[in-house]
Amino acid sequence: DAKTTQPNSMESNEEEPVHLPCNHSTISGTDYIHWYRQLPSQGPEYVIHGLTSNVNNRMASLAIAEDRKSSTLILHRATLRDAAVYYCILRDVYNFNKFYFGSGTKLNVKP
Amino acid sequence: GAGVSQSPSNKVTEKGKDVELRCDPISGHTALYWYRQSLGQGLEFLIYFQGNSAPDKSGLPSDRFSAERTGGSVSTLTIQRTQQEDSAVYLCASSPSTVTNYGYTFGSGTRLTVV
Repeated sequence: DAKTTQPNSMESNEEEPVHLPCNHSTISGTDYIHWYRQLPSQGPEYVIHGLTSNVNNRMASLAIAEDRKSSTLILHRATLRDAAVYYCILRDVYNFNKFYFGSGTKLNVKP
Repeated sequence: GAGVSQSPSNKVTEKGKDVELRCDPISGHTALYWYRQSLGQGLEFLIYFQGNSAPDKSGLPSDRFSAERTGGSVSTLTIQRTQQEDSAVYLCASSPSTVTNYGYTFGSGTRLTVV
């Protein structure tokens, strides 16, 4: 299982950008990078995914390093509702039946 | 419904009893997954169903755990002779297809407490 490494926790101020890092040095060429977040007492929620190019959607942006060994989830303006555990996950396009979730990064947003 | 529905939301059971957890996936989603999450931990994969194919049971922790998916829709996860270490939140997710790279939609989970 391709492994990802994330900081255990991060803190941000409300209305400021947040950059959540993820290292995946053993990523293979067929692994997509997915991000999910889990709000308290809820199931995980899809945020964004990408392969090689940077991606933007209404929730966040995903910046992928040129060598694909790391990526960064960017929340452009953190709100209190963004306080959650953020998971970075690799998903092989040829074995996409299950995700392996690590411990994630717990993001605390201060008012 | 619009999302993945799980029931019950909370279940307290005595050690040694059997429990059944139910998952109603999003209509039309062919793939269904069960995960569990112990307190403060990440998600642990349990089992995966895709259409009429044989399920991937590689994550089930013991033979006390089993799951069915009837008619390609509703799924039931059964835990026999529950133990205290089975206490966790059991999460179900569904996906439109596994031949694309769609993400999962998760339910809110069933919190199981074995006393």
